[in-house]
Amino acid sequence: AQSVTQLDSQVPVFEEAPVELRCNYSSSVSVYLFWYVQYPNQGLQLLLKYLSGSTLVKGINGFEAEFNKSQTSFHLRKPSVHISDTAEYFCAVRDNQGGKLIFGQGTELSVKP
Amino acid sequence: SAVISQKPSRDICQRGTSLTIQCQVDSQVTMMFWYRQQPGQSLTLIATANQGSEATYESGFVIDKFPISRPNLTFSTLTVSNMSPEDSSIYLCSVLRTGGPEAFFGQGTRLTVV
Repeated sequence: AQSVTQLDSQVPVFEEAPVELRCNYSSSVSVYLFWYVQYPNQGLQLLLKYLSGSTLVKGINGFEAEFNKSQTSFHLRKPSVHISDTAEYFCAVRDNQGGKLIFGQGTELSVKP
Repeated sequence: SAVISQKPSRDICQRGTSLTIQCQVDSQVTMMFWYRQQPGQSLTLIATANQGSEATYESGFVIDKFPISRPNLTFSTLTVSNMSPEDSSIYLCSVLRTGGPEAFFGQGTRLTVV
């Protein structure tokens, strides 16, 4: 069975600063990895995904994530955050056999002026 | 991506009553799911909605409490039965499209039980 751990429940950061949201997963099979963002009172929007190939994946809104198989990590990064990036971010994993999507606990990113 | 319409967007219900949430997708999808997001929590999978047959429920969720229908490839309903305040959550519909492993989500139904 898979599991996902987001190491930080809250990340406060100042505007224009860089940010990293950490995600580790466990699985005995190959997986697909995702980051979703949830703005207040909204559903989930896909930020980016790792399926295979290049370990550095770029997503929307200037976010990117790096897949590290040896460390079983998929950390999300942005070099310069904006106030509008304030939201809840979820890391998720699915095995490549079509299994269900498992979510981490979420990280609340709070960008302050 | 897929356009997912979920209704109602929010509701306040009396305990002991039931609420049916609808999920309509703009194109055929391979799989449909229902998630619950309790206040301040992550998403928990309730069940996989199967077309024309009984849904597949996750541990801790039962059909009597959360009956689900999926009469065709683009529509599903989730009913929250005999509600109590502990059922106050956001309920989200999610779909997988043919050829892609990423899931898409509706805007969610914010349910408050009083």
